[in-house]
Amino acid sequence: AQKITQTQPGMFVQEKEAVTLDCTYDTSDQSYGLFWYKQPSSGEMIFLIYQGSYDEQNATEGRYSLNFQKARKSANLVISASQLGDSAMYFCAMREDYRDDKIIFGKGTRLHILP
Amino acid sequence: KAGVTQTPRYLIKTRGQQVTLSCSPISGHRSVSWYQQTPGQGLQFLFEYFSETQRNKGNFPGRFSGRQFSNSRSEMNVSTLELGDSALYLCASSSGRLRADTQYFGPGTRLTVL
Repeated sequence: AQKITQTQPGMFVQEKEAVTLDCTYDTSDQSYGLFWYKQPSSGEMIFLIYQGSYDEQNATEGRYSLNFQKARKSANLVISASQLGDSAMYFCAMREDYRDDKIIFGKGTRLHILP
Repeated sequence: KAGVTQTPRYLIKTRGQQVTLSCSPISGHRSVSWYQQTPGQGLQFLFEYFSETQRNKGNFPGRFSGRQFSNSRSEMNVSTLELGDSALYLCASSSGRLRADTQYFGPGTRLTVL
């Protein structure tokens, strides 16, 4: 079974609109971390935001926020006021804290911002 | 603070050859992880090194190996290259603490096997 599921292979969003990228995860661990990375066409993986399983508040970093619903095992990324430069692949990822330092990635969502 | 650097950025090799990729982590980071990214398989974990020791390994054949030096720089080696090894190879560094630790990635090395 997949540990990280991103159900949207591609999305088209109008510039300046907010966008939500879906991510669900599967783990039996109580302690884990969830990440979102952005990968532009250049290939570099850019860290966006982190949410720990014990964090009570949703993480926010500038225009990025993580809508964390622990009971539903959901960790959606919300980008407010999208910009053309947001066009990229977005990966949701998880690390199960006490197992190892390996990060498990989802298949990604390709986001296209339209002018 | 300088980010993660990887060299070379691009490589073209032929089947049967071997290749060595290099990764320099962020200063102070002791953990280096390697990932292979292909269109078909997505991002797959290769291995992780911490303080010169392999701490974790993914499901790749023994042709894929790595090492880490005392300055935390890491190298990855692929021997007897196959066409299917064509991929973007990403390395990531972190402090190595297991909790609340973020991996920061380098720009990647794009390997093409002909």
